[in-house]
Amino acid sequence: NAGVTQTPKFQVLKTGQSMTLQCAQDMNHEYMSWYRQDPGMGLRLIHYSVGAGITDQGEVPNGYNVSRSTTEDFPLRLLSAAPSQTSVYFCASSKGLAGVEQFFGPGTRLTVL
Amino acid sequence: AQTVTQSQPEMSVQEAETVTLSCTYDTSESDYYLFWYKQPPSRQMILVIRQEAYKQQNATENRFSVNFQKAAKSFSLKISDSQLGDAAMYFCAPFFGNEKLTFGTGTRLTIIP
Repeated sequence: NAGVTQTPKFQVLKTGQSMTLQCAQDMNHEYMSWYRQDPGMGLRLIHYSVGAGITDQGEVPNGYNVSRSTTEDFPLRLLSAAPSQTSVYFCASSKGLAGVEQFFGPGTRLTVL
Repeated sequence: AQTVTQSQPEMSVQEAETVTLSCTYDTSESDYYLFWYKQPPSRQMILVIRQEAYKQQNATENRFSVNFQKAAKSFSLKISDSQLGDAAMYFCAPFFGNEKLTFGTGTRLTIIP
């Protein structure tokens, strides 16, 4: 099992550009989520999905879009990148929700100039 | 509002000694789960230990144990016989049953050889 994979590992964008961060898992997990990690602020939830076709907003959803057409994939789209979106992004998945371990991808470091 | 507080931004401990990282939270839920995650310099998020709120017995995983005090809403992590590989950011992350983990701001642990 590859676990949770994320691409790319690093990305530099210019303000206003759009891009998609890819996330895939091969563990047949229903629950997937996207977090951003900023210095001194821990991880904050952007969007999450409890199954294919179902997504919901987390704590900081503005400027991001998600869809979940398959169980395996959960891409995160930046619609028009802004310097405030400079961060490290983590994708996570788990089998169910309550009380279970979330498995994290290796992260994507995004810089918006 | 459900909040998580890690009041120690940085801690250091001598190798082979014991260190305790603190975490307090606020919730009106009676049934929830508590997690500690570790993030070494590699950036990978790794589950250290979990605790069910309905269990009175404190969880233990090898050198890692928790002191869970439900009434005080406190969930501290004790690391015994500290090793160089324990150097990392440690995040307290309760799951309050609202479909998401809530992460604290983290404690950076340094191990002194």
